[in-house]
Amino acid sequence: AQSVTQLGSHVSVSEGALVLLRCNYSSSVPPYLFWYVQYPNQGLQLLLKYTTGATLVKGINGFEAEFKKSETSFHLTKPSAHMSDAAEYFCALSNFGNEKLTFGTGTRLTIIP
Amino acid sequence: NAGVTQTPKFQVLKTGQSMTLQCAQDMNHEYMSWYRQDPGMGLRLIHYSVGAGITDQGEVPNGYNVSRSTTEDFPLRLLSAAPSQTSVYFCASRTLGGKLFFGEGSRLTVL
Repeated sequence: AQSVTQLGSHVSVSEGALVLLRCNYSSSVPPYLFWYVQYPNQGLQLLLKYTTGATLVKGINGFEAEFKKSETSFHLTKPSAHMSDAAEYFCALSNFGNEKLTFGTGTRLTIIP
Repeated sequence: NAGVTQTPKFQVLKTGQSMTLQCAQDMNHEYMSWYRQDPGMGLRLIHYSVGAGITDQGEVPNGYNVSRSTTEDFPLRLLSAAPSQTSVYFCASRTLGGKLFFGEGSRLTVL
């Protein structure tokens, strides 16, 4: 079975500060990992994904994530938070040949002016 | 530039009533899926389809039916609504192995 754990259901950072959202996973086979963002009253949008190759993945809106197999982690970072980053963020996992996507429980990011 | 379209956006049902949530996509995607989103639980997969005529169960399929007669449409049917099915429902589609595109969601309340 595979699972995704997001540490911290709520994270607050000041505008201009570093954003760090944590995601750990469990998978018996090499994972595909994703970060999605959900703005209020909207569906989810893909921020970035890791399948194979380079472990540092760059996404939209200045976000990036690093796949660390030894730590089973895929944390999302952004060097400088912007007010428009306030949203809920979901980490998700799938595998090659498995079309099902398993989501974490989400982290709500609040930006303090 | 429609993408994934869900209807209705809001619905209130009484316990025991049935209804269908509609989902249509215009991107010719093989894969379509339904998720429900509940506070503190993230998104959970209800049913999915990898092509017309093919459907399979996800993590929480009980109380829901799906069919896939065309590539474009993937309706979700609630057979006999229960308060536990109060949730926000999302339809998503993609090409196999590709990026998921989500609809805007359907908020369902069962009284």
